[in-house]
Amino acid sequence: AQSVTQLGSHVSVSEGALVLLRCNYSSSVPPYLFWYVQYPNQGLQLLLKYTTGATLVKGINGFEAEFKKSETSFHLTKPSAHMSDAAEYFCAVSDGNQFYFGTGTSLTVIP
Amino acid sequence: NAGVTQTPKFRVLKTGQSMTLLCAQDMNHEYMYWYRQDPGMGLRLIHYSVGEGTTAKGEVPDGYNVSRLKKQNFLLGLESAAPSQTSVYFCASSYGRGVDTQYFGPGTRLTVL
Repeated sequence: AQSVTQLGSHVSVSEGALVLLRCNYSSSVPPYLFWYVQYPNQGLQLLLKYTTGATLVKGINGFEAEFKKSETSFHLTKPSAHMSDAAEYFCAVSDGNQFYFGTGTSLTVIP
Repeated sequence: NAGVTQTPKFRVLKTGQSMTLLCAQDMNHEYMYWYRQDPGMGLRLIHYSVGEGTTAKGEVPDGYNVSRLKKQNFLLGLESAAPSQTSVYFCASSYGRGVDTQYFGPGTRLTVL
């Protein structure tokens, strides 16, 4: 079975500072990896995904993530936080059939 | 395109009552999913469907039933609601299997008293 661990249920950063949200996974097969964002009272929407190929993946709103197989990690970063980035972020792994989500990280951006 | 829609948006039930949540998608997606979201637990898969007329159990299927009579609709039923089923329920759809993006509905907030 697959599993996803997101380190830190709450992260606070100052506006303009680096955003780093951590995600580690366990998978018995080469995984497909995803980051989703959830704004208050809304459903989830895709930020970015890794399937094959280049390990550095760029997504929407300036976010990117790097797949590191040796570390079984897929951390999400953004060079400069904006107030509009305040939301819940979910890392997910797929084994090609089902999705398995992490418990989420709530990002607060301090003006 | 409306994308993925869910009906109703909010509902309060008493223990033992039944209800059906409706999910509809207009993207001609084969795959549809029902998740529940609880604080500190992320999203957990209840049931999913890989096409019209098919359903399969996910991680937490007990107490729920589903049906996919039409490709565009995926129904989630609670036959006898329990307080432990108080949650936010999300429906999602995707064109294909694991590499494809899942598109989520806005959610249904269910409270069971």
